Formats: sequence, C-alpha cells, structure tokens
Amino acid sequence: GIQVEQSPPDLILQEGANSTLRCNFSDSVNNLQWFHQNPWGQLINLFYIPSGTKQNGRLSATTVATERYSLLYISSSQTTDSGVYFCAVGTYSGAGSYQLTFGKGTKLSVIP
Amino acid sequence: NAGVMQNPRHLVRRRGQEARLRCSPMKGHSHVYWYRQLPEEGLKFMVYLQKENIIDESGMPKERFSAEFPKEGPSILRIQQVVRGDSAAYFCASSPSGGVSYNEQFFGPGTRLTVL
Repeated sequence: GIQVEQSPPDLILQEGANSTLRCNFSDSVNNLQWFHQNPWGQLINLFYIPSGTKQNGRLSATTVATERYSLLYISSSQTTDSGVYFCAVGTYSGAGSYQLTFGKGTKLSVIP
Repeated sequence: NAGVMQNPRHLVRRRGQEARLRCSPMKGHSHVYWYRQLPEEGLKFMVYLQKENIIDESGMPKERFSAEFPKEGPSILRIQQVVRGDSAAYFCASSPSGGVSYNEQFFGPGTRLTVL
C-alpha cells in the first residue's frame, strides 16, 4: 500500500516563530488533506488540497502531486497551534472504494 | 450546522463484553468511514460504507468486528468479545460524495474505548 511519511516527528517552537511541515507519499494520490488534532483529541480539517496552494489565515499549504509531497506552513505560531498535525492521502482502489492513509503526524509544541 | 456526531465519547468495557459505537454523518453526507487510532499513532482505515452497503471492509479485522449503516439511523461499529488490544480511539468520518469530484472527509470527535 501507499506510504506516507511526515517530518519532523516533533517540533518545539517559540511563540511567534514560523515553521514548515512536510508530507511525502510513495505513489500517485487522488486527494490530500491536512488535519490538526488538538490536545483534546479532536481532528480539525485544515486543508483539502490535491494540488496547488491554499491559504487560510496564518496557515497555508502547497501540494506538488507530480513530485509526491505536500508542505504545511504555519506563520506567527500561537500556543493554540499546539497539537499533532496529520497529513492524509486519499486513494481509490477497485470496486469503488476510497480511503485516507494517514502519516504518523508531526507533534508541535508552541511555548510562550 | 451539526458536524459528525459520535457517541458515546468514552466507553469502558471488560474483556469479553460487546462494544457498540455510533456515528451520525453530517447532514447531506451519505458516505461513512471508520478509522482506528492507537496511542501515539496515526489513524488507520477500517471500513467504508454507504447507506445499506459495505463498500470496503479491508481494514477491519475479520473476526469480532462488524459495521453497518442502515437506511434509517446512525452507522454502528460493533466489537464483540473485546480484548485489551481493542483499546483505542475510534473515529468516524463522513463525506458528501465518494466520487472524484469532491470527497473531503470530516471527522467526528471520536469514541475512546478502554478495555479493562
């Protein structure tokens, strides 16, 4: 099956700093999503981005599908950005099946 | 504008008991997915359902686990004769379509299952 690798696995930032999270995947994908899992365990949708660049406030994401990677940028980080960031790629298989394959995540800690 | 709803949020079972996890998709969504998250890991796909149909259950253990999405009511993930290794967070997601055009998945808050 498809492999999804995220880096770095852990990241500690001072409040106000910027960061880039990376997601590499091993094969062609149909879609890609970024999520933030907050300290209470809830998964928040950040981006649905099979290709191109999108921005939402202090966050932006870029997916280069032909080179099999996606980047998530966080600018002017805040303590509320802490949590785990997951990249998930969507793939179709036979008989109309579709599923997301998740990376292991990047655990971000923003300190005041 | 309710999102995906799951209940219960926390469930404690003793070994050998049954666990039933419920998921109501977002309004207008007819595609439901179940994922399992073990501690310190990413989510793993279990099963994909549409109303009254199981589309793909390739990620679900062959024994003790079953899922359904009836014509009326929520989707149910059922685990029979639970063992300690079943302790995990179980997430449900829904999407408006399973097709190529738009299939962004939205996740519920999860059910944390603890097996004693």
